[in-house]
Amino acid sequence: DAGVTQSPTHLIKTRGQQVTLRCSPKSGHDTVSWYQQALGQGPQFIFQYYEEEERQRGNFPDRFSGHQFPNYSSELNVNALLLGDSALYLCASSLDLGPKEETQYFGPGTRLLVL
Amino acid sequence: EDQVTQSPEALRLQEGESSSLNCSYTVSGLRGLFWYRQDPGKGPEFLFTLYSAGEEKEKERLKATLTKKESFLHITAPKPEDSATYLCAVQGGSNYKLTFGKGTLLTVNP
Repeated sequence: DAGVTQSPTHLIKTRGQQVTLRCSPKSGHDTVSWYQQALGQGPQFIFQYYEEEERQRGNFPDRFSGHQFPNYSSELNVNALLLGDSALYLCASSLDLGPKEETQYFGPGTRLLVL
Repeated sequence: EDQVTQSPEALRLQEGESSSLNCSYTVSGLRGLFWYRQDPGKGPEFLFTLYSAGEEKEKERLKATLTKKESFLHITAPKPEDSATYLCAVQGGSNYKLTFGKGTLLTVNP
């Protein structure tokens, strides 16, 4: 049973560039959430996608955008990169069961370094 | 707004020395409290979900408990391989997001 996969594992960009990160959910899951984790901090919620729509968004600027495909995989796009965007980006997948959402399972993350 | 505070920030134990990690939370209508383990440079690994006060769950040397204001992760006779950062998160009200604490860095010395 394949877990959550993310690509690439590491990425180095320069300020002002754009980046796309990819996520494939755990088999059977239909919901994808993205989190940003700075060093020494807990993960911070960016947004969640369900049925190809952004269902909830955290306190992140519009430079952060996403997409969910019909096969439930997802992309996170970040435009106009800033030094402060350097972090571990985590994708989590879950199965929407209505009022009681199942646990979110995390992928290994993409380490982004902005120079 | 949901809030999670974990203590201590770091904990050093000798192998076999039992202890507890604390997670205090404020949330409007708890839907779930989650414990994860995270190794350096890797994604969080799911441990437990607790849904209501009084609930307890166990897995090997770990036991999680829940009250209306806090959760404890009890570690019995830890081994060096239990060394990791332990993260607590809550999901409340109509939120789909998880709100995390900063984590407790546990080091178990042989």
